[in-house]
Amino acid sequence: DADVTQTPRNRITKTGKRIMLECSQTKGHDRMYWYRQDPGLGLQLIYYSFDVKDINKGEISDGYSVSRQAQAKFSLSLESAIPNQTALYFCATSRPSGGQETQYFGPGTRLLVL
Amino acid sequence: GENVEQHPSTLSVQEGDSAVIKCTYSDSASNYFPWYKQELGKRPQLIIDIRSNVGEKKDQRIAVTLNKTAKHFSLHITETQPEDSAVYFCAAGSGTYKYIFGTGTRLKVLA
Repeated sequence: DADVTQTPRNRITKTGKRIMLECSQTKGHDRMYWYRQDPGLGLQLIYYSFDVKDINKGEISDGYSVSRQAQAKFSLSLESAIPNQTALYFCATSRPSGGQETQYFGPGTRLLVL
Repeated sequence: GENVEQHPSTLSVQEGDSAVIKCTYSDSASNYFPWYKQELGKRPQLIIDIRSNVGEKKDQRIAVTLNKTAKHFSLHITETQPEDSAVYFCAAGSGTYKYIFGTGTRLKVLA
């Protein structure tokens, strides 16, 4: 879905470096999410945000931080990258719908930490 | 904690045959069950969903069934085609923002 974009699409970094992954959406959705995907482990929620002033930890937030700069932008930071943070990262958005809401995913960022 | 178990992890079928993927959830408050398809190198995309007040939903060759008593739901794909080859994820939502995803099923449709 071209309405949810992520930059960069691929990134190689070294252990200890700080990196930021960015997500933008033009869907007008209030809710945004960051997931991590590892082979055989499905999608694990890192952080989520219901609006600009609302940030919440997900299942695996340790080692990550986020910033919701605007309704349309949600960034994920790795303050000091480590090799086991090598994974595929997805941003997603949704509109509140009584808890039965479709999540729309961005194209993903493939991160390799050496 | 809450979890969703998904089986099988891999599934190979001959083109034209049916494929069934099963998920079991633990949170009895779950009331929304989407299925996502992820093609190689692509993002997950919703293919069908079902709500707790419905036992079955069908969309062309794809159907989902829900058994709330047993806490399981299944994806059925009939007349499989090579383009159905992908990883399929189930998820369970419980009236909040949050999904719990299954671990995925890699479906291969053999021509």
